[in-house]
Amino acid sequence: GEDVEQSLFLSVREGDSSVINCTYTDSSSTYLYWYKQEPGAGLQLLTYIFSNMDMKQDQRLTVLLNKKDKHLSLRIADTQTGDSAIYFCADYYGGATNKLIFGTGTLLAVQP
Amino acid sequence: DTEVTQTPKHLVMGMTNKKSLKCEQHMGHRAMYWYKQKAKKPPELMFVYSYEKLSINESVPSRFSPECPNSSLLNLHLHALQPEDSALYLCASSQGRGTGGETQYFGPGTRLLVL
Repeated sequence: GEDVEQSLFLSVREGDSSVINCTYTDSSSTYLYWYKQEPGAGLQLLTYIFSNMDMKQDQRLTVLLNKKDKHLSLRIADTQTGDSAIYFCADYYGGATNKLIFGTGTLLAVQP
Repeated sequence: DTEVTQTPKHLVMGMTNKKSLKCEQHMGHRAMYWYKQKAKKPPELMFVYSYEKLSINESVPSRFSPECPNSSLLNLHLHALQPEDSALYLCASSQGRGTGGETQYFGPGTRLLVL
């Protein structure tokens, strides 16, 4: 079945850039998403990218997609302490159903 | 407005209780979802409703009973739960066009503790 993997933990200093990586196995992916989850909260949609795009930029966020290697990354510029959270990538798993396959989540810790 | 609301925020229940979780959206979305999330894990899909009809049941035990009374509301009825059912229950919605790849918007969740 479809599998989405992420590294578990990333620590950065405030003001640095953060890069969170994700790999997936579904060769027919159409949309890939990034969600942010703060402690005790629901999932906040950050951004998404369509599979015919290589890059998408949205303010401090840059998403890069390497479809050949099935690799997705989220870069956060000028990381702030408020960016500390768990970040999930998610792959839309095709067919008649709108099923998202979530990665394992990356805990981003921002040190002041 | 991309808001999905869920009530209650927290719920403590005994194994013999019956309770319900409620989810509401006013974005005109026609697809709604229930997810279960254990600590430090990604959300796991439980149910999907599309145009008020149950379209996916991910082999969820019958002690969880979903209901979609109208296009804006989604309930999850709980009965005879087990302690291992303690988790964060997330509701989400999407446009429901059925063309795939729809963005799902999540609520804040209900944190459930079963004693």
